[in-house]
This record gives sequence, structure tokens and C-alpha cells, in this order.
Amino acid sequence: TQLLEQSPQFLSIQEGENLTVYCNSSSVFSSLQWYRQEPGEGPVLLVTVVTGGEVKKLKRLTFQFGDARKDSSLHITAAQPGDTGLYLCAGVETDSWGKLQFGAGTQVVVTP
Amino acid sequence: DTEVTQTPKHLVMGMTNKKSLKCEQHMGHRAMYWYKQKAKKPPELMFVYSYEKLSINESVPSRFSPECPNSSLLNLHLHALQPEDSALYLCASSQDPGISYEQYFGPGTRLTVT
Repeated sequence: TQLLEQSPQFLSIQEGENLTVYCNSSSVFSSLQWYRQEPGEGPVLLVTVVTGGEVKKLKRLTFQFGDARKDSSLHITAAQPGDTGLYLCAGVETDSWGKLQFGAGTQVVVTP
Repeated sequence: DTEVTQTPKHLVMGMTNKKSLKCEQHMGHRAMYWYKQKAKKPPELMFVYSYEKLSINESVPSRFSPECPNSSLLNLHLHALQPEDSALYLCASSQDPGISYEQYFGPGTRLTVT
């Protein structure tokens, strides 16, 4: 059983459309990270959220951390083909000594 | 600079071979990690080193042997692997588990066991 439930598993959209990826859990996290991974490469850290209710923006990407620090979302505005990749959320439970719990990942494909 | 380097990029080995994977970071991070990732799955934690000491072993078979010669280097020694061990092996580092949980990953080593 995945501690972090990520949805959807797969998302295929046209260039210019918006998309949202969700990451949910019944556990409280001291921090949550979002990564993007391309085939054959390592995950690249996009953002870390630590405060309940926090919103962070990275160009066209908006990340939210739930008030209770149990869930998070990633919203991409006007997606571009370069946004294609596997998006992974990963949380650190309180007192887990920094051990990351990964969601199953969302494969995003943006076609021109 | 948030770079973690890994060598080799690709490795093919037989089940009787002995090989090593190498990882290096120069960010002054004191925690280093080995992960295994199968296709279309998230990374699975294998080992964690904190201040050059092994702090977490996620019940990994003894055919995988980690080593941390110094705070910048992390090795994974491989011996008598099975075909099901074929995967992308990722190294990561973080500043200090007590300070920051942000982990920075290397590009990985694609391992194929024949």
C-alpha cells in the first residue's frame, strides 16, 4: 500500500492546456517535495513545501500544501511539450529521520 | 551547485561478476542514499548513510554492499546479482536529515544483469 496516493496515474494533454496532479495521504508530513523525472535520468527536485497552506510558484507551475500537511497539488498552466515527464511527490513523515515516501508517480505527456 | 554524479552511466554484468557503482557530491551534504528504480515505478530506498555511517538498510540482500569512504563518496558493490536486479540505481544526497529533507539525485546507473 502506497503511503502517498498520487492521481491521476497518466495524463495526456495538448500544448496550452492546464493540468493538475494530486498527492494525498492520511499521514502528516513535515515536508513534501515534488520531482520531475525524464526517461533514463534521475528525478530533479522542483520544489519543497513545509508549511500548511503554503503556495509556491515556479514559472507556470503552482504547488500547494494542504492546511493539515497531508496533501499537496501541482498545477501547470499552459502546458508545453517540455513539461512532459514523470512527476513524483515525496513526503517526509514527522520523526522519520528524513526518509522520503514516494507516490507512485504521474506520467504527463504534452503533445504539440 | 546541486550536482550529484554517478558512474558508470550504463553497466552490463553477468551473474558471477563483481562490479561497483560510484556516486560523488561536492555540496558538503552529510547524508547520502542509494535507491533502486524499476520501470514506471517510484524509487525504492535501499541504504542511507549519515555522517559516513550506515544508518538505514531497507532489508537489502547481501549481494548489494554499500560503502562510504568519505563524506563526498558513496559506492555500491555488486556481487552475484540476479536478472531481477536489473534496474536504474540512483544515488542522492541531502544536507543533513536533521536540517533539510531535500534530496538531490544523480542521473543514475542503468544496470542490466544477464
